[in-house]
Amino acid sequence: DSGVTQTPKHLITATGQRVTLRCSPRSGDLSVYWYQQSLDQGLQFLIQYYNGEERAKGNILERFSAQQFPDLHSELNLSSLELGDSALYFCASSVLGDEPQHFGDGTRLSIL
Amino acid sequence: AQSVTQLDSQVPVFEEAPVELRCNYSSSVSVYLFWYVQYPNQGLQLLLKYLSGSTLVKGINGFEAEFNKSQTSFHLRKPSVHISDTAEYFCAVSRMDSSYKLIFGSGTRLLVRP
Repeated sequence: DSGVTQTPKHLITATGQRVTLRCSPRSGDLSVYWYQQSLDQGLQFLIQYYNGEERAKGNILERFSAQQFPDLHSELNLSSLELGDSALYFCASSVLGDEPQHFGDGTRLSIL
Repeated sequence: AQSVTQLDSQVPVFEEAPVELRCNYSSSVSVYLFWYVQYPNQGLQLLLKYLSGSTLVKGINGFEAEFNKSQTSFHLRKPSVHISDTAEYFCAVSRMDSSYKLIFGSGTRLLVRP
């Protein structure tokens, strides 16, 4: 158990819809990262938050957004969903950012 | 920019045989190096990391890796594998800057046969 909790584990929805993925980092970790794992693109960094502030952005689509709340949990919002958004979305956390990241079990998103 | 190349998409090996999973990276700045393992339907688990110091790093489950700066490689090795080592292995790098975001290789599937 990594201590990083992601909900829900599975999400099935239709094209054009909007979903929210939630992540609770390990106790004491201030930094949260989001990654997308797909067959086409492999594991790709999406976005990082540190203590509520956006720290870095990767290959995140404009239809996607994220935020980190005062209690340090984070949410990834995906809107106007397309078939190609079907993937496993991972959250990872670390204390400051310069230590190894610990990953949650992911949310599997299926777009029908 | 950084990139990571895992040369083998799949490595079949018999139980109790040694194995090496290859990883090469490219970066114009100093990086940290990691190996993660992903078992079916699970998240990524850190196997080992190289931050600085000794170039031979030991991780969990009997794995070790050697950092070779001149060859920009970070190959993962285990002297004797078990059936339970069957999984996907990912090599990753992160820049030593304010982000530390991970750049992953495409993964190597280790298939251990009895």
